[in-house]
Amino acid sequence: GAVVSQHPSWVICKSGTSVKIECRSLDFQATTMFWYRQFPKQSLMLMATSNEGSKATYEQGVEKDKFLINHASLTLSTLTVTSAHPEDSSFYICSASRTGYRSTEAFFGQGTRLTVV
Amino acid sequence: GQQLNQSPQSMFIQEGEDVSMNCTSSSIFNTWLWYKQDPGEGPVLLIALYKAGELTSNGRLTAQFGITRKDSFLNISASIPSDVGIYFCAGNSGGSNYKLTFGKGTLLTVNP
Repeated sequence: GAVVSQHPSWVICKSGTSVKIECRSLDFQATTMFWYRQFPKQSLMLMATSNEGSKATYEQGVEKDKFLINHASLTLSTLTVTSAHPEDSSFYICSASRTGYRSTEAFFGQGTRLTVV
Repeated sequence: GQQLNQSPQSMFIQEGEDVSMNCTSSSIFNTWLWYKQDPGEGPVLLIALYKAGELTSNGRLTAQFGITRKDSFLNISASIPSDVGIYFCAGNSGGSNYKLTFGKGTLLTVNP
């Protein structure tokens, strides 16, 4: 149990285009999902907290108009990188906490490698 | 903000050796989690700790929640080549905020 699926696993896009990344909890409901960004050989940096049915809470320094987050159901959250630029190239990872369980026990997706050319 | 100091930054060991890594925090945490991340993959939860002093094992892995609630360690016994990866500690300070603060990771290399 507690499987989180992230799609796509990698994507290459042209500068100026938008990219959508999906995060699904396959066998549990997730009231809260988190989006992280990870640079090579570095730790995970929290970008935003996504709560089902409400607006996401962004960390300081993260542009909410650039990184659009939608959490429309208890099993799906999406991150859209709008007007992507090369500096947005990174590894993006989502995590989900199981509703009704110890919510701090977060499970991660496989990650999405975004390359903007 | 909260900071987690994880050490060592990297380790090179021989197969069969035991490994120990730890994390310390500048503030109290209610939850400590240990994750392993393979290259190009998301982190996988290894052990979750919820009570000060708690000692929990998962196979060859053992982790403890420090009694001061500001530290935790992870031990790996009899290491094998597939233990290679980056190990992260993560902590949560509780309340309605479920956010995790991550350590910078320990890169483990196991020589066969």
